Amino acid sequence: LAKTTQPISMDSYEGQEVNITCSHNNIATNDYITWYQQFPSQGPRFIIQGYKTKVTNEVASLFIPADRKSSTLSLPRVSLSDTAVYYCLVGESSGGYNKLIFGAGTRLAVHP
Amino acid sequence: DSGVTQTPKHLITATGQRVTLRCSPRSGDLSVYWYQQSLDQGLQFLIQYYNGEERAKGNILERFSAQQFPDLHSELNLSSLELGDSALYFCATARGDSQETQYFGPGTRLLVL
Repeated sequence: LAKTTQPISMDSYEGQEVNITCSHNNIATNDYITWYQQFPSQGPRFIIQGYKTKVTNEVASLFIPADRKSSTLSLPRVSLSDTAVYYCLVGESSGGYNKLIFGAGTRLAVHP
Repeated sequence: DSGVTQTPKHLITATGQRVTLRCSPRSGDLSVYWYQQSLDQGLQFLIQYYNGEERAKGNILERFSAQQFPDLHSELNLSSLELGDSALYFCATARGDSQETQYFGPGTRLLVL
């Protein structure tokens, strides 16, 4: 069963750029890659979604290489409020249905 | 506020009991996903329903079951509860049945004593 792999934790400082990479070797042709942010005791919140190359919105950028076996979430100029767990989500097709697999999550700590 | 509601917010029960968690989707969303998150664990996908039909299944225990009703709200039934079932249970909803952005509810915190 394919799965995603992310670093367990990362540390950064306010104002720095943070890049979190997710590996998804068995991603299917029609699968998208989605990243979520989760604060303690809250439901995850959508950050960004992409299929290939680069996607940018007001909070983050997502870089996806041509082989799509990994993706990198880039958070520019992080602040203390960006301290959270970040999940990478890819859909995996199995038997005609999409099974959803969250990565283990990366716990990002932003320091003053 | 994602627009997804879950009730109850908290639930305390005893081992061997049965509980029902409820999820009301955002207006227009046809898919409902259920997830379990144990203490310090990642999100584990349990099951998905789309427009009333089961669409995908994850690592859902046989003691757990779910359904989606004609008004599109969903219920997750947990029976013969064990201490290890204590967790946060989230539902998420989406417009379609795959790839669309999922919007998560605030969760139900279940404590089994």
